[in-house]
Amino acid sequence: GEDVEQSLFLSVREGDSSVINCTYTDSSSTYLYWYKQEPGAGLQLLTYIFSNMDMKQDQRLTVLLNKKDKHLSLRIADTQTGDSAIYFCAETFGGGQNFVFGPGTRLSVLP
Amino acid sequence: GAVVSQHPSWVICKSGTSVKIECRSLDFQATTMFWYRQFPKQSLMLMATSNEGSKATYEQGVEKDKFLINHASLTLSTLTVTSAHPEDSSFYICSAPRTSGLSDEQFFGPGTRLTVL
Repeated sequence: GEDVEQSLFLSVREGDSSVINCTYTDSSSTYLYWYKQEPGAGLQLLTYIFSNMDMKQDQRLTVLLNKKDKHLSLRIADTQTGDSAIYFCAETFGGGQNFVFGPGTRLSVLP
Repeated sequence: GAVVSQHPSWVICKSGTSVKIECRSLDFQATTMFWYRQFPKQSLMLMATSNEGSKATYEQGVEKDKFLINHASLTLSTLTVTSAHPEDSSFYICSAPRTSGLSDEQFFGPGTRLTVL
């Protein structure tokens, strides 16, 4: 079945770039998403990329998609302590009606 | 594992009526629950945070008088779509975090599909 994988933990120093990686299995995915979950809060949509794109940039965020390898990454430039959170990668399948989330990557930003 | 249920799973209603959707955590208590909306072929969007014993916190652009949330107990949150219109047709999903040690794990309900005629 559909599966989304992520590494569970990432630590970076404040001011460095963070790169969170995700692999997925459904080659028919139309959109791929990155969500952020801060402690005690719900999921917030950060950004998404359409499957026919290979890169999308939005301020400090850069999403790279390698469709051949089914690999998605989220780069956060100039990482701040406020970026500490869990980041979830998600893909849609079944014509966009269903979601599969990865397990989440816990990003810790060290001063 | 923890289970979150929603009821009903599918509802069709006439325009102008109100619809109540329930979200229950079945084997754990949740002081906080979250309500999401998914438009067809689009992503989940957080609508509001439901807090047991206090008012819900709504995301920007979500009408609190339109989407009434009541977190009546530690295992139940309800979302009432008041005076529903066809543009309210959507898939509504709740989630509840369960604290285990130092971390929260989110458990999602199966969703409720609302169709407003």
